[in-house]
Amino acid sequence: AQKVTQAQTEISVVEKEDVTLDCVYETRDTTYYLFWYKQPPSGELVFLIRRNSFDEQNEISGRYSWNFQKSTSSFNFTITASQVVDSAVYFCALSVAGGTASKLTFGTGTRLQVTL
Amino acid sequence: DSGVTQTPKHLITATGQRVTLRCSPRSGDLSVYWYQQSLDQGLQFLIQYYNGEERAKGNILERFSAQQFPDLHSELNLSSLELGDSALYFCASSLGTVSNQPQHFGDGTRLSIL
Repeated sequence: AQKVTQAQTEISVVEKEDVTLDCVYETRDTTYYLFWYKQPPSGELVFLIRRNSFDEQNEISGRYSWNFQKSTSSFNFTITASQVVDSAVYFCALSVAGGTASKLTFGTGTRLQVTL
Repeated sequence: DSGVTQTPKHLITATGQRVTLRCSPRSGDLSVYWYQQSLDQGLQFLIQYYNGEERAKGNILERFSAQQFPDLHSELNLSSLELGDSALYFCASSLGTVSNQPQHFGDGTRLSIL
């Protein structure tokens, strides 16, 4: 069975601060995929990034960066120079390869509050 | 805009009733997924369809059923509703069944049971 843990329930920062959201996963599968989704106050779920288990390169997209470390089973998400528009709940999710299903197992989410 | 359309956006009904939630996937996507988001359970996978066939079941109650039609839209039927069924129900779609394909989510249907 797969499990995703987001230990940080809520984080509050002041605008322009950097913030890191933690994600730890558990799976016995050797090939798997990790995702981050954003849920703004309006409620929709927005796909942010996908990472394959065999690709440990970090990725940067504008103010967003992701650090994938297989040794610690972590896939952390950093927002640099946070903005009020970053306020949302962020979910880390996992899916495994093989079989006929490609369901996502989600963590419980981290609520990020960015204030002026 | 994810391209996934869910209707209705809000649904208010009473215990014991039956409702149908509808989802149209992104153009070209063959897989449809249903998820339930509740305060106590978080985001939980319910069921997946691929090109009209059921592919996987998660924590879906027997009172709930789904199907995917030839035009690829999907419906989630919830019957004998209970207060605990109040939740946000998401539909997502992806190109196929490969696990590395991102799932794109609709805006959800918020179901309130009175």
